[in-house]
Amino acid sequence: SYELTQPPSVSVSPGQTASITCSGNKLGDKYAFWYQQKPGQSPVLVIYQDTKRPSGIPERFSGSNSGNTATLTISGTQAMDEADYYCQAWDISTVVFGGGTKLTVL
Amino acid sequence: QLQLQESGPGLVKPSETLSLTCTVSGDSISSSSYYWGWIRQPPGKGLEWIGSFSYSGSTYYNPSLESRVTISVDTSKNQFSLKVNSVTASDTAVYYCARHLFGLYGSGSYHWFDPWGQGTLVTVS
Repeated sequence: SYELTQPPSVSVSPGQTASITCSGNKLGDKYAFWYQQKPGQSPVLVIYQDTKRPSGIPERFSGSNSGNTATLTISGTQAMDEADYYCQAWDISTVVFGGGTKLTVL
Repeated sequence: QLQLQESGPGLVKPSETLSLTCTVSGDSISSSSYYWGWIRQPPGKGLEWIGSFSYSGSTYYNPSLESRVTISVDTSKNQFSLKVNSVTASDTAVYYCARHLFGLYGSGSYHWFDPWGQGTLVTVS
């Protein structure tokens, strides 16, 4: 079965750039999606189709996908961005989620 | 604005059947443009897709759960439901329903979820 691998945790200082990776076999041949989940809340879509931002998502959120790795980038990270982030893709009629990355803003 | 709301028992005994309902407001569940799906999250762990269906009749299930899961729809109430049979403690989780969107490209397709319901905690004990 297809797997997506994320680092368990990433730390960033306020105002700096945070990068969260998601690795999977030939992931660049698929579309990647990213969700943000704050404690006690439901996941919220922050990036779809590799690079697109839904309405209401700040411009500091961006995405890329090439080769075996998709990356979620948060520029000018703010304290409010501290959350768990999950990548997701579709493979052979199955939804696959990455294990999640806890972003800490120190 | 599309909203989804999960409902159902918060406590289920081992070996029994977990049953949840998702009520959709702001859009018709009969739309052929979407699927509707269930995702769960064990306490302190990551997201696990359970399954999705479309009103047109297509259904997808997580292979690891397929033998125990049924998703059904009640268009008169604009609701869809989840049943998980023979539950164990490992089925304890927050269960979310969500609109499952899709698109086509080349010979493939892409799928994602937006928006999600607020989730409901089901404990098996």
